[in-house]
Amino acid sequence: DQQVKQNSPSLSVQEGRISILNCDYTNSMFDYFLWYKKYPAEGPTFLISISSIKDKNEDGRFTVFLNKSAKHLSLHIVPSQPGDSAVYFCAAEGSGGGADGLTFGKGTHLIIQP
Amino acid sequence: GAGVSQSPRYKVAKRGQDVALRCDPISGHVSLFWYQQALGQGPEFLTYFQNEAQLDKSGLPSDRFFAERPEGSVSTLKIQRTQQEDSAVYLCASSLRSGSAETQYFGPGTRLLVL
Repeated sequence: DQQVKQNSPSLSVQEGRISILNCDYTNSMFDYFLWYKKYPAEGPTFLISISSIKDKNEDGRFTVFLNKSAKHLSLHIVPSQPGDSAVYFCAAEGSGGGADGLTFGKGTHLIIQP
Repeated sequence: GAGVSQSPRYKVAKRGQDVALRCDPISGHVSLFWYQQALGQGPEFLTYFQNEAQLDKSGLPSDRFFAERPEGSVSTLKIQRTQQEDSAVYLCASSLRSGSAETQYFGPGTRLLVL
């Protein structure tokens, strides 16, 4: 039973446009959410996070939105650049003090077309 | 500064062999996590250390998997009598403090192939 779901395995966006990656979760005990970016043969790289007490967090071209009532979060990248092409993982942490690790989605492969 | 490093980067083992995977976390990081990532999946939690104490090993798939962090820095994940289903990328992550809302920084992973 997947607790974190990324329903789009891949997404293709034109360079300069907005990329929107979506993530849904089922466990209401999750209170901290992160997005990681992964290139082939590398480990996941931290991008941005959001606490459940907020509904938006912005860092440069990256913005994460959290809708707690819908158990949905999204990552917006604007403008999209060729170097953004990668697999993006949504991850969630419960209220177990961090000791239970992160729960990841299956990832969305973002392809930025020139 | 140096990030999380893992060795070896690639490991091929024959079924039944024992393997040991090493993780060097970021210096001074209290928390250390191991994850297993199968092809086409997201990473899945295996075990967690706070300094040298293994506080959670609920994600270890069987008693063939064993992890240690004896001095609270370097960690080793050992898999005994490897099986084909153990083939995966094993990721190590560390965070500065224990507790929630701490960003985990990942190493490049060890890709294990069991033949």
